[in-house]
Amino acid sequence: QQQVKQSPQSLIVQKGGISIINCAYENTAFDYFPWYQQFPGKGPALLIAIRPDVSEKKEGRFTISFNKSAKQFSLHIMDSQPGDSATYFCAASKGNDKLIFGTGTRLQVFP
Amino acid sequence: GAVVSQHPSRVICKSGTSVKIECRSLDFQATTMFWYRQFPKQSLMLMATSNEGSKATYEQGVEKDKFLINHASLTLSTLTVTSAHPEDSSFYICSARRGALNTEAFFGQGTRLTVV
Repeated sequence: QQQVKQSPQSLIVQKGGISIINCAYENTAFDYFPWYQQFPGKGPALLIAIRPDVSEKKEGRFTISFNKSAKQFSLHIMDSQPGDSATYFCAASKGNDKLIFGTGTRLQVFP
Repeated sequence: GAVVSQHPSRVICKSGTSVKIECRSLDFQATTMFWYRQFPKQSLMLMATSNEGSKATYEQGVEKDKFLINHASLTLSTLTVTSAHPEDSSFYICSARRGALNTEAFFGQGTRLTVV
C-alpha cells in the first residue's frame, strides 16, 4: 500500500513532442505528490508538485494532472527539448512522513 | 528553491577506512534530513531519517553501526560510512525538509563513493 507505481520505464520523444509519465498509488492518505528531475551524476531536483485538492497544476512547460478517484497522477512535458533528457521520479507522502518514490522514467528527447 | 549542499561530490577510499559525507542546508533551517542510496539506473532507497538533536531513524535492513548519521544542527547532517567495503560503493544523496509543517524536500548534488 506504500508503493508508487511509475510507467513507462523509458520514453523516447521527438523534439517538440509531448512527454507523458504516469504514476499510480494505493494509499489514499497521501497528500503531497512531487515530481523530481535527475540528471546523471546529480541529485534529484524538485520540478513541480501537487496536492489532492486540485486536479491540475501547470508551471511553464510542465503540467501535473491529478485524478483522485483513480489514484493516479501524471507529468506532461509540452514542447519537449533535448535538454529535458533526464530521469524523472514521481513521489508521494503523507503529512511529514518520508517520500515514497516511483521507480523512475528515463526520458530521451531526440532533435 | 532552497539550496542543499553536499560534500564531497566524489570520494575514493581504501577498504576498511571510514568516510564522512556532509549535507548542509544553505538558506533554510532543516528540521528533518534524509539520506538515500542510489544504485545505477535505480530509484532512491531511503536509508535513514534524521531530526535535529535526536537519533536517526533507520530503514529496515540498514546497518546503523555502519552508516552513522549525525544531525547536530539545523543546517548540517553528516553520514559516516564506517569500515567501508567495495559493496558500499554507491551514490549517496541527502535531502532536507524546510520546517516541520513543510513537506517540500530539497536534494543535495550527491556523493559518488568508490571503495577500492
